[in-house]
Amino acid sequence: KQEVTQIPAALSVPEGENLVLNCSFTDSAIYNLQWFRQDPGKGLTSLLLIQSSQREQTSGRLNASLDKSSGRSTLYIAASQPGDSATYLCAVDTNAGKSTFGDGTTLTVKP
Amino acid sequence: GAVVSQHPSRVICKSGTSVKIECRSLDFQATTMFWYRQFPKQSLMLMATSNEGSKATYEQGVEKDKFLINHASLTLSTLTVTSAHPEDSSFYICSARDGRTGGSQPQHFGDGTRLSIL
Repeated sequence: KQEVTQIPAALSVPEGENLVLNCSFTDSAIYNLQWFRQDPGKGLTSLLLIQSSQREQTSGRLNASLDKSSGRSTLYIAASQPGDSATYLCAVDTNAGKSTFGDGTTLTVKP
Repeated sequence: GAVVSQHPSRVICKSGTSVKIECRSLDFQATTMFWYRQFPKQSLMLMATSNEGSKATYEQGVEKDKFLINHASLTLSTLTVTSAHPEDSSFYICSARDGRTGGSQPQHFGDGTRLSIL
């Protein structure tokens, strides 16, 4: 059974700082890995999708990496802004099309 | 881009009421949709996989008779919480994947439905 762990559970940083969120998974037989953002009481916004054959994806200030063999992914946020404050979730897709989510990292960027 | 519309966004109703939540893919065909439940400060837990034209596949521990899923068309899946009770209060989110392009495409999520049972 796939298990997804996100560390840290919460993170508080001053504005402008670069930061890294971590996601690890137990079964490396994945189809893809996706990072999401969730604002309080809201749904999910997809940030980046990394296919199993890829090592990283970039979108603006965000960069996600994937090391399938070690079961790890990181989400790098450059020059953080207060608007980046949210919960970040990683989700691993299996070949069955199901997603297993981590518990998320709640990020607070202080002005 | 692909959009998934979920309705209603919030429901408050009395115990014993049945509540229907709709999930629509607006600009793509979704042969498969997924229903998730999220408790406060917890992650999403997959409840069931909704397959167009066939029965839903439920995850272990999810009551089929309690959470009725219907996927009558390639763009619509519904989740009905039957005879809802306070313990059913939660945030329910659906997702869909473009069935024409297979599993390499990301899941697109609805905005979720916050269900509160009094």
